[in-house]
Amino acid sequence: AQTVTQSQPEMSVQEAETVTLSCTYDTSESDYYLFWYKQPPSRQMILVIRQEAYKQQNATENRFSVNFQKAAKSFSLKISDSQLGDAAMYFCACPGGSQGNLIFGKGTKLSVKP
Amino acid sequence: DAEITQSPRHKITETGRQVTLACHQTWNHNNMFWYRQDLGHGLRLIHYSYGVHDTNKGEVSDGYSVSRSNTEDLPLTLESAASSQTSVYFCASSELDGGSLDTQYFGPGTRLTVL
Repeated sequence: AQTVTQSQPEMSVQEAETVTLSCTYDTSESDYYLFWYKQPPSRQMILVIRQEAYKQQNATENRFSVNFQKAAKSFSLKISDSQLGDAAMYFCACPGGSQGNLIFGKGTKLSVKP
Repeated sequence: DAEITQSPRHKITETGRQVTLACHQTWNHNNMFWYRQDLGHGLRLIHYSYGVHDTNKGEVSDGYSVSRSNTEDLPLTLESAASSQTSVYFCASSELDGGSLDTQYFGPGTRLTVL
């Protein structure tokens, strides 16, 4: 069965610094997307970044980038120049198989200190 | 702009009552999903639909039902609400034909409290 593990329940970063959130996953799919979603206090699930597993190049979206290691099934999120607005829960997700759903990790709560 | 909306945003109900949560998307996506989010569990799949008149059970479907009469809407019904169904509910839709090469977009969520 597909699983997603986020080993850091909470993280803290100083404003303007860089932080990396970890995620490991297990899937039987050969080609797939991986996702990081951000959930601020408003509860909205916001897509932060998507990685195409068949591409070797790591995805980047402005200050957000990933370190994708397919063989290790590792998919970490790096946030550069952290801002107060980055404070949120971050969820890693991978495809859930035949149902077409996503499997989510339990999340990492990121705090940003001014 | 296309979007996905949920209503109500907050709902308080009593045990045993029937409750329906609405989900409406304007992307014309075929696939729609309902998840629930609980502390310590992340998001778990309740039901999903790949198109009009298609519905399927997910991981935690007991006590819930859905119907799909058009592309835009997938209402979630709690037949007889229980305290264990107190949760935050998210609707999502996706643009392709499902599977592992697809991207899901989420609504704002509904917080349901069952007293």
